[in-house]
Amino acid sequence: NAGVTQTPKFQVLKTGQSMTLQCAQDMNHEYMSWYRQDPGMGLRLIHYSVGAGITDQGEVPNGYNVSRSTTEDFPLRLLSAAPSQTSVYFCASSYADRVYGYTFGSGTRLTVV
Amino acid sequence: GESVGLHLPTLSVQEGDNSIINCAYSNSASDYFIWYKQESGKGPQFIIDIRSNMDKRQGQRVTVLLNKTVKHLSLQIAATQPGDSAVYFCAERPGGYNKLIFGAGTRLAVHP
Repeated sequence: NAGVTQTPKFQVLKTGQSMTLQCAQDMNHEYMSWYRQDPGMGLRLIHYSVGAGITDQGEVPNGYNVSRSTTEDFPLRLLSAAPSQTSVYFCASSYADRVYGYTFGSGTRLTVV
Repeated sequence: GESVGLHLPTLSVQEGDNSIINCAYSNSASDYFIWYKQESGKGPQFIIDIRSNMDKRQGQRVTVLLNKTVKHLSLQIAATQPGDSAVYFCAERPGGYNKLIFGAGTRLAVHP
C-alpha cells in the first residue's frame, strides 16, 4: 500500500509559470484535500473534495485550481506562480466518515523565484 | 521540511520524562480535536483524536485532555523517547464541516 503519493518532491518555478502538483491515493478514500505549510504557521486548507466530481474552496484558494475526475487523483494547479506561493504543499485523504483522521503525503516543496 | 517551524515554540525534555504539549482552540462548535506529529521532511502523521463530548482519551503512551470551558487541549506523552522529537500540531474540526483547522505547532526536542 503506497498511501498518499505526491509528485514532484521539489520544484522551482519562475514567476508567472504554471504547473500541476500531483496527488494520488490507493486507499479508496472519498475525501481529499490540499494544504500549504509556511514557516511558523500551521497548515492552511487550499481546496478539498468529498468525492469524484465535487470540489470546494478552503481558507486560501486564490491562485489555485483543482479537479477530481477519479477517486484516486486530486491534482492542484498553480495558474500563474507568484513568490507568495513559495511553500510546502501537502495532500491528505480520509474516509468520508472519518474526516478527522487524515493520511498525509510527504509533501512538495515549491519555490517561486 | 527543515524550514517549517523556524519560529515555533519549543519544548525541551529529557529522555524518559513525561511531556505535555498544550494547544488553545478557537471554535466552541468544533466536534473533533486531533493531534498530529510531523517529523522533519515528512507529512503530518495522525496520533490521536478526541470527540467534544469527552474530556480524556488514552492511546499508547499518549493521553489527550480536553477542557471545553477554557478551550484548551493538551497532549501528554509518557516516557518521552528520542523518536518523539518532532513538531506537534493540534487541529479542530468545526462542527459539520469537511475541513480541519490546524494550530501553529510546537516543536518537541528530546535530549538524552
